[in-house]
Amino acid sequence: GAVVSQHPSRVICKSGTSVKIECRSLDFQATTMFWYRQFPKQSLMLMATSNEGSKATYEQGVEKDKFLINHASLTLSTLTVTSAHPEDSSFYICSARDLGVSYNEQFFGPGTRLTVL
Amino acid sequence: AQSVTQPDIHITVSEGASLELRCNYSYGATPYLFWYVQSPGQGLQLLLKYFSGDTLVQGIKGFEAEFKRSQSSFNLRKPSVHWSDAAEYFCAVGAPGLSFGAGTTVTVRA
Repeated sequence: GAVVSQHPSRVICKSGTSVKIECRSLDFQATTMFWYRQFPKQSLMLMATSNEGSKATYEQGVEKDKFLINHASLTLSTLTVTSAHPEDSSFYICSARDLGVSYNEQFFGPGTRLTVL
Repeated sequence: AQSVTQPDIHITVSEGASLELRCNYSYGATPYLFWYVQSPGQGLQLLLKYFSGDTLVQGIKGFEAEFKRSQSSFNLRKPSVHWSDAAEYFCAVGAPGLSFGAGTTVTVRA
């Protein structure tokens, strides 16, 4: 089946630093990847849609300069949280769509827990 | 705009008993509906999905869901719950970006 990995699984950083999270599709080509954010005990919120080779589309209220998304290849998308602050602490989850399987189905990574001190 | 409501924040059920999780959606066109399960420390796992066709959908782990357009609902059911079913369950709608419900925490008591 389609497998999506994320790295790192957990990261702790100091306030003001930047953190990069990688999302990889391991056994399929993902023309579209999605980034979600999940606060403790809450639901997932779509942050942005990332298309390979083009600029990401951000959801309303998500700061594009704060959350930089790059989708440079068909198997890798990165989310960089710039100048992180404690309120950015959250669980970040990516997903990827395999057009060879289904237009409407996406496969989720295991998530990255970010803690900003 | 698309949205999902899961009215039950927390459900406790005895092992072996039946389980039903409610999901109501708002969507402008034919909805693409999903149920996911998230166990502590685990990623989201797809239980089942509905795109079209038969409104009763069978999924993994013995789960099923029924799409009712008239009620804008997509409730998840399992006839007999196992202790390993304790987890967080999310209903989602949309394509390709998903809107998730707030989730329902299922606790299974012995």
